[in-house]
Amino acid sequence: QQPVQSPQAVILREGEDAVINCSSSKALYSVHWYRQKHGEAPVFLMILLKGGEQKGHEKISASFNEKKQQSSLYLTASQLSYSGTYFCGTDRGSNYKLTFGKGTLLTVNP
Amino acid sequence: GAGVSQSPSNKVTEKGKDVELRCDPISGHTALYWYRQSLGQGLEFLIYFQGNSAPDKSGLPSDRFSAERTGGSVSTLTIQRTQQEDSAVYLCASSLTGSMNTEAFFGQGTRLTVV
Repeated sequence: QQPVQSPQAVILREGEDAVINCSSSKALYSVHWYRQKHGEAPVFLMILLKGGEQKGHEKISASFNEKKQQSSLYLTASQLSYSGTYFCGTDRGSNYKLTFGKGTLLTVNP
Repeated sequence: GAGVSQSPSNKVTEKGKDVELRCDPISGHTALYWYRQSLGQGLEFLIYFQGNSAPDKSGLPSDRFSAERTGGSVSTLTIQRTQQEDSAVYLCASSLTGSMNTEAFFGQGTRLTVV
């Protein structure tokens, strides 16, 4: 079942913060975050695992609430390079099958 | 190569024709994934390979879709008797082990247009 992302789109000025949410109606084992710039391949940002372990980039933070089946991606002091579509992918324990949300389009303006 | 390579990058085909999409994963990566990306629909899982075997083919939209992987490396996604609704970007990704602890590396995709 596809996770639900919110908001669908957000526009920021450089230096502002943003939060992107991802929620599922089913129990999750891990949440993966990817960013895709227009015309490019999705690029890995972070993995959040059940139990609290995180793997990813230092400049991006995220949370994973296992009980609520929710994850949030925190983008602070946004830069122009943060622009793109952010996807969360959720895993329900299949050990390989990521189901992605529809994405959140983030636009950072000067 | 250094990354996941897909070919062709663009393909325009007539309705009813068959097409083959190719994916060269990162060397040494045992897991390979195919996703389909339609406008505003996110990334739709199609199939997963661990080595040459595909444990789960349930994401394939219809029996017109098939995929194979040979030598634990190159994979081909074949769409027979293409329909206009098959138009989308087809993305391939590979990861070192296929475990949910590891990141997936995506290729640039093949943009398929069925006219």
